[in-house]
Amino acid sequence: NAGVTQTPKFQVLKTGQSMTLQCAQDMNHEYMSWYRQDPGMGLRLIHYSVGAGITDQGEVPNGYNVSRSTTEDFPLRLLSAAPSQTSVYFCASSRRTGGSYEQYFGPGTRLTVT
Amino acid sequence: KQEVTQIPAALSVPEGENLVLNCSFTDSAIYNLQWFRQDPGKGLTSLLLIQSSQREQTSGRLNASLDKSSGRSTLYIAASQPGDSATYLCAASGNTPLVFGKGTRLSVIA
Repeated sequence: NAGVTQTPKFQVLKTGQSMTLQCAQDMNHEYMSWYRQDPGMGLRLIHYSVGAGITDQGEVPNGYNVSRSTTEDFPLRLLSAAPSQTSVYFCASSRRTGGSYEQYFGPGTRLTVT
Repeated sequence: KQEVTQIPAALSVPEGENLVLNCSFTDSAIYNLQWFRQDPGKGLTSLLLIQSSQREQTSGRLNASLDKSSGRSTLYIAASQPGDSATYLCAASGNTPLVFGKGTRLSVIA
């Protein structure tokens, strides 16, 4: 299994540009989520999905859009990039372990917005 | 709203020492508590997951405990090694999606 994969690894955008961060998993996990990690702020949830066709907002959803058309893929779209969106983005997927979900993370995408 | 706190923010110990990392959470209605390791510039690696019905989990030199009533979890690392140097994060999963602490940055000095 490749686990959770993310592309690209690095990206530089100009303010106002849009782009899509890709995330895929091959573990047939029903739950997928996007986080951003900033110095001093820790990891914060952007959006999550409990299955194909179902998405919901996390703590910091503004400026981001998601969709989940398949179990495997969960892309994150930046609609109009802003310098405040400079961050490291992590995608995660979860499998059910007993009564809870165990999360597995991708390697991250480092995004800089100038 | 669930809040997760990790103390200390940074810790430096000599090689061979046993150490404890602390994690506290405000809402005891959790499904599980998960500990991760993050190396600089890398993603998160899951170390241990403790379900709400469990009190501890062990993997090699690592032992994690969970006390829901007091809202605390600890990660015990035995006989620390320089390769253990990393940031350790805990995260609580409950009625809301996973909430992370800000991590403890551990340095093990040879």
